[in-house]
Amino acid sequence: GQQVMQIPQYQHVQEGEDFTTYCNSSTTLSNIQWYKQRPGGHPVFLIQLVKSGEVKKQKRLTFQFGEAKKNSSLHITATQTTDVGTYFCAGLGGGFKTIFGAGTRLFVKA
Amino acid sequence: SAVISQKPSRDICQRGTSLTIQCQVDSQVTMMFWYRQQPGQSLTLIATANQGSEATYESGFVIDKFPISRPNLTFSTLTVSNMSPEDSSIYLCSVGLGTAKNIQYFGAGTRLSVL
Repeated sequence: GQQVMQIPQYQHVQEGEDFTTYCNSSTTLSNIQWYKQRPGGHPVFLIQLVKSGEVKKQKRLTFQFGEAKKNSSLHITATQTTDVGTYFCAGLGGGFKTIFGAGTRLFVKA
Repeated sequence: SAVISQKPSRDICQRGTSLTIQCQVDSQVTMMFWYRQQPGQSLTLIATANQGSEATYESGFVIDKFPISRPNLTFSTLTVSNMSPEDSSIYLCSVGLGTAKNIQYFGAGTRLSVL
């Protein structure tokens, strides 16, 4: 079945450093989504990418969708302590099912 | 987006008992889902809750263990039956919105501990 792989599993950064998480799918994705889950919270939808090569920005967050629509990345510039949490990518599976990556847990040291 | 109310927010249960989790949405939605999330892990889809018909279960999950109801387009329940400590987890309901109905909006989750 379809798999969505995400790396790294964990990332420790000093506040102000940049952070990137990568997502790869075994099959071509019709779209890809990114979610953030704060410690103790539930996943919250951040953004959806649909087009090949698409790049979207939300303040310090930059999201990219690969040309082949099989990979994606989330880059955070100058991390802040409020960025702490787990970032999940997710792709559309069969029957409207969303397949989540394993997540990247971000730790930010002040 | 949608506002999703899930309850209870947490519970501690005894082995062999059952717990029913409720999920209420503030608008009518076609797609509702139930997920399980082990601590520090990703989300695993349990089933798609279908309105007016039996839920569609993912591999490894069965109706006898996780019966689901979906009486209308704004409400669903998940029951965790005959619980064991291995069922201790976070259970989340979600609705699927957007063009492809796969942008997930989650309830706050139910943190279940089974003793």
